[in-house]
Amino acid sequence: DSGVTQTPKHLITATGQRVTLRCSPRSGDLSVYWYQQSLDQGLQFLIQYYNGEERAKGNILERFSAQQFPDLHSELNLSSLELGDSALYFCASSPRQGAFQETQYFGPGTRLLVL
Amino acid sequence: AQKVTQAQTEISVVEKEDVTLDCVYETRDTTYYLFWYKQPPSGELVFLIRRNSFDEQNEISGRYSWNFQKSTSSFNFTITASQVVDSAVYFCALSSYSSASKIIFGSGTRLSIRP
Repeated sequence: DSGVTQTPKHLITATGQRVTLRCSPRSGDLSVYWYQQSLDQGLQFLIQYYNGEERAKGNILERFSAQQFPDLHSELNLSSLELGDSALYFCASSPRQGAFQETQYFGPGTRLLVL
Repeated sequence: AQKVTQAQTEISVVEKEDVTLDCVYETRDTTYYLFWYKQPPSGELVFLIRRNSFDEQNEISGRYSWNFQKSTSSFNFTITASQVVDSAVYFCALSSYSSASKIIFGSGTRLSIRP
């Protein structure tokens, strides 16, 4: 158990809808990262938040957004969903600003299926 | 450019055999970190090891060992006396100054251990 929690575990929705994925980092960790794992793209970095502020951005679509709250949990919002958004979404956390030296510990993931 | 290549897409061995998973990386940075993560059938990503670019010592943890060779840009992972519970997808990953906060993952090697 990494100490990172994600809810829900599974999510089934329809095209055009909007969903919110939630992540709680390990106790004491200030950085939260979101990754998408799909069959064709593999594991890809989406976005990072550090202590409430966006710190780094990867291959995140404009339809997607995230935020980190004062209690350090984070939410990833996916809107206008398309079939291709079906994937496993991981959250990870690390202790500090997420400099490349830090190890990222991953949550169990949220499996999203868009029908 | 940062890149991680895991040329072995799938490996299948019989229980108790030794197996080596290959990982080749590319980076222009002199300081970087290499990781191995395990993704069992349940889907979570489990951190196994982190190694920095200045430490080429091999590491052993129980039945797991890692061989880091900067000369060949490789960070290979060996499981000795494999067990059915080792069946999983294994990802090699890289982070460096150029990649900032994100981890660059290889495409993974699916390891199946047959009883």
